[in-house]
Amino acid sequence: KAGVTQTPRYLIKTRGQQVTLSCSPISGHRSVSWYQQTPGQGLQFLFEYFSETQRNKGNFPGRFSGRQFSNSRSEMNVSTLELGDSALYLCASSSLTSGGAADTDTQYFGPGTRLTVL
Amino acid sequence: GQQVMQIPQYQHVQEGEDFTTYCNSSTTLSNIQWYKQRPGGHPVFLIQLVKSGEVKKQKRLTFQFGEAKKNSSLHITATQTTDVGTYFCAGPGGYNKLIFGAGTRLAVHP
Repeated sequence: KAGVTQTPRYLIKTRGQQVTLSCSPISGHRSVSWYQQTPGQGLQFLFEYFSETQRNKGNFPGRFSGRQFSNSRSEMNVSTLELGDSALYLCASSSLTSGGAADTDTQYFGPGTRLTVL
Repeated sequence: GQQVMQIPQYQHVQEGEDFTTYCNSSTTLSNIQWYKQRPGGHPVFLIQLVKSGEVKKQKRLTFQFGEAKKNSSLHITATQTTDVGTYFCAGPGGYNKLIFGAGTRLAVHP
């Protein structure tokens, strides 16, 4: 099976702009999660989607949003970019189907999108 | 909120030496996962521990889950240069959310 793919791999934006990142999960995986990775804060959870519904959200401002399509592909959007948004954005997919609130399945990460905000 | 603490932050070893990273949670965990991220790469799943006191081995890697399910460790025997990377533990945060530790960066000197 092909792995998780993310596009673009690298992105340079300026403050105030917006950006959309794309993630295609492993075929058959319906859960997609997004993480932000920075040297200072480490790996931080942004949100998770399952069957087009956001089920969980991390502590990020409303400038960070996402969505999932019927084919499980997902996008995340960051509006009004700030310098501090520079990070590696990782998408992960999971085959978890039970959808339980207490469940966390193996996450398969994509290569990430390296966003630089100037 | 739930936190996962991981130590040490960095570890430099000579090739052939052993390495251990420790993970502690503020709350009891239903399970704990371990991931490895090579320099310039992305996290790759290593293992999931579920049972109290569980010990699992993968070749030179030994993973342990504490009896109280609040701590875990990863031990690498006789490190090799291929072991270089950052090792993360992660606890469950519900609905596939992972709460990651800060990670331990391992450098192996030949």
